[in-house]
Amino acid sequence: SSELTQDPAVSVALGQTVRITCQGDSLRNYYASWYQQKPGQAPVLVIYGQNNRPSGIPDRFSGSTSGSTASLTITGAQAEDEADYYCNSRDSSGDYVFGTGTKLTVL
Amino acid sequence: QVQLQESGPGLVKPSETLALTCSVSGASMSSGTYYWSWIRQPPGKGLEWIGYIHYRGSTNYDPSLKSRVTISVDTSKNQFSLKLSSVTTADTAIYYCARAGITGTVTTSWFDPWGQGALVIVSS
Repeated sequence: SSELTQDPAVSVALGQTVRITCQGDSLRNYYASWYQQKPGQAPVLVIYGQNNRPSGIPDRFSGSTSGSTASLTITGAQAEDEADYYCNSRDSSGDYVFGTGTKLTVL
Repeated sequence: QVQLQESGPGLVKPSETLALTCSVSGASMSSGTYYWSWIRQPPGKGLEWIGYIHYRGSTNYDPSLKSRVTISVDTSKNQFSLKLSSVTTADTAIYYCARAGITGTVTTSWFDPWGQGALVIVSS
């Protein structure tokens, strides 16, 4: 099955912009979705498709794709954005795969 | 507002079968193009997709778990269930149920909403 690779940890200064990336061959044909997970909580969808935000997700979250790399960008990171972030996509078999996860620290 | 809630035993013995149920409220499982999914997360580790079922009964499972997994649906109760056989300590995890949406072109998909998760410990 396909794999999605993320950097284990990323940090950003409060109010600055951070990009979290996700690499995998499936992303050439399928859009990534992105999930935020805070300690002890279930994941929450923050971005899906070309660049769609569910209701209630701040517009500082955005998504993009280039080739086999999907990116989640947080413009003006806030303290409450500190969390683990996971990407996900389908593959040609109809299976789903999650990325390895990125721990975001807001300094 | 659609809500999902997992239920089932929190402790399972090695070699036995793990069984969980996800109850869906706020919408009928039979409406829309959704795939009702199970996802797990071992303690301190990342998310793992287990599989999904469509309300009409079609299923798809992660290849690494396919020989041990069965997902079923009961639309009359608006519930779907997970069974994982021959469990080992490696199956200890928080098990989430989630609704998977997909666009007609199948290039866009997402999991939303998620249940709160159920911790299942495999131990004798």
